[in-house]
Amino acid sequence: EAGVAQSPRYKIIEKRQSVAFWCNPISGHATLYWYQQILGQGPKLLIQFQNNGVVDDSQLPKDRFSAERLKGVDSTLKIQPAKLEDSAVYLCASSWTGTNEQYFGPGTRLTVT
Amino acid sequence: GENVEQHPSTLSVQEGDSAVIKCTYSDSASNYFPWYKQELGKRPQLIIDIRSNVGEKKDQRIAVTLNKTAKHFSLHITETQPEDSAVYFCANTGTASKLTFGTGTRLQVTL
Repeated sequence: EAGVAQSPRYKIIEKRQSVAFWCNPISGHATLYWYQQILGQGPKLLIQFQNNGVVDDSQLPKDRFSAERLKGVDSTLKIQPAKLEDSAVYLCASSWTGTNEQYFGPGTRLTVT
Repeated sequence: GENVEQHPSTLSVQEGDSAVIKCTYSDSASNYFPWYKQELGKRPQLIIDIRSNVGEKKDQRIAVTLNKTAKHFSLHITETQPEDSAVYFCANTGTASKLTFGTGTRLQVTL
């Protein structure tokens, strides 16, 4: 079984620029999550999708962050414009519908200068 | 869900000794308690989990205990090995059905 795929693995941008991350979940996993993990902290949920619908985006800074999962499979997370404090690892995870076990991708390390 | 406190933040043990990491939570409706291991620069990996209807679960050298009355759960690693060195995160789901992670414990197993 292939794992959760993410790209790019690393990204360096200047503040006020925009950036997008891509995630491909494990095949058949209807639930997809995006987390932000700041250095030295645990992952923090940004948004949760069930198929192509948003279940929870209460911690997503909607003035600059957006995410979509148009066909219920792949997902993209966008930041525009980026701030210095957005420097973090962005992790994508997926799970089967109705289960709690989440499987993480390798993450995208974003550095904002 | 909600608030999860994790202790200690760092833990150093000698190879072969046991390691214990504890987490406390506030949401009495919490029903799922996973533990993740994250090696440097790698993804968090689920190593063991427990549900609210079970008090203890064991998988080889790893065990997790849950005390619902006291609202805390613990990870126990016995016969530690150098490859156990990593950051360990507890997490739980509560009424919001979303994972809330602890702040992490950096475990160092020394020879």
